Amino acid sequence: IAGITQAPTSQILAAGRRMTLRCTQDMRHNAMYWYRQDLGLGLRLIHYSNTAGTTGKGEVPDGYSVSRANTDDFPLTLASAVPSQTSVYFCASSDEAGGPTDTQYFGPGTRLTVL
Amino acid sequence: GQNIDQPTEMTATEGAIVQINCTYQTSGFNGLFWYQQHAGEAPTFLSYNVLDGLEEKGRFSSFLSRSKGYSYLLLKELQMKDSASYLCAVRDSNYQLIWGAGTKLIIKP
Repeated sequence: IAGITQAPTSQILAAGRRMTLRCTQDMRHNAMYWYRQDLGLGLRLIHYSNTAGTTGKGEVPDGYSVSRANTDDFPLTLASAVPSQTSVYFCASSDEAGGPTDTQYFGPGTRLTVL
Repeated sequence: GQNIDQPTEMTATEGAIVQINCTYQTSGFNGLFWYQQHAGEAPTFLSYNVLDGLEEKGRFSSFLSRSKGYSYLLLKELQMKDSASYLCAVRDSNYQLIWGAGTKLIIKP
């Protein structure tokens, strides 16, 4: 593994189903993030984690939950999917949240369609 | 509210120079980032400005004026592979990134 991986690459999901998007990084970065990207809108932060064991809410957290049991993994769960959650989901990580550069590096994304 | 404005789309010619502008209104400022995103791919980091002035990195340069809430990304000697979306993002007082919707750059031969 090099960088950040996400799984699945794409998924079609029936409304009301539960879904977990996986994200793993091997850069030993402290901070991790989940964004959604919709046409015509900027990336919007769903949840973040500044370090293992802590999480925080972003701009659009409703309907999503996260956990950060260890440094490498940051799964995003949709408890009961709705069509408005159709989007491309990107996971990102950075060495130090709020640090001098705090450059975020992105995974390849998961394209999710909720019908 | 917080707002990042960029042009939706720009067209330029291979070999030419293009400037992509970004204006912002955010609660606090802790740096501005530019990312490149090819269609269907992840955003990749291009540049970071926290002080006023120009940062040059090869064919790409980024400028910041904090007093004007303004930045631009300058791309020189355009190549076809530069066809992509360019995303401007500002880190606010909570150290969260606020993203613009991106500028789609189309390069014509």
